[in-house]
Amino acid sequence: SQQGEEDPQALSIQEGENATMNCSYKTSINNLQWYRQNSGRGLVHLILIRSNEREKHSGRLRVTLDTSKKSSSLLITASRAADTASYFCATDASDSWGKFQFGAGTQVVVTP
Amino acid sequence: SQTIHQWPATLVQPVGSPLSLECTVEGTSNPNLYWYRQAAGRGLQLLFYSVGIGQISSEVPQNLSASRPQDRQFILSSKKLLLSDSGFYLCACQTSGINNEQFFGPGTRLTVL
Repeated sequence: SQQGEEDPQALSIQEGENATMNCSYKTSINNLQWYRQNSGRGLVHLILIRSNEREKHSGRLRVTLDTSKKSSSLLITASRAADTASYFCATDASDSWGKFQFGAGTQVVVTP
Repeated sequence: SQTIHQWPATLVQPVGSPLSLECTVEGTSNPNLYWYRQAAGRGLQLLFYSVGIGQISSEVPQNLSASRPQDRQFILSSKKLLLSDSGFYLCACQTSGINNEQFFGPGTRLTVL
């Protein structure tokens, strides 16, 4: 089974609202990364959070990491139609460095 | 920063035909390189990764193989394609070292008929 599992699977919101998605994983990790994928395109790297970090910000993005619960969340504030995409988390497990495991993703639709 | 090139962008191949997808990387040296496959509406499945020239690790048994003939070139191949090989193939690059981001190429859409 996949290391990272996102929920919800799909999220539909209106412009201006916040979008929150979660990622759970099973084993100890070196870091966790979030990616965005527009339909039919490659993945765009959003944020990397290390295992000793609890929160990171980048523009309208906020990522948290709780290693005790083996979970992470991605918050997009003041969403825009251009945020419509699938979002994936990927973990770099401590015992298999460099081998990233991806979840199935959260599909976010932002309507104007 | 790294730039990852993949070609072709799309490919339609008959069952039983051979396959060669190429990935090249600019802007870094001695990277870790990866091949992923993504089925429609799904996450990414790691197929192969390489930490150096000629060093290939396979993650899942399958009909595909990978080679790394040069530091910044990664090739995905098959001798005879199966219908189940259809998907979106993504090449990724990571500068060697812990806690470095992994960057992706634009992908190749493969349809096997």
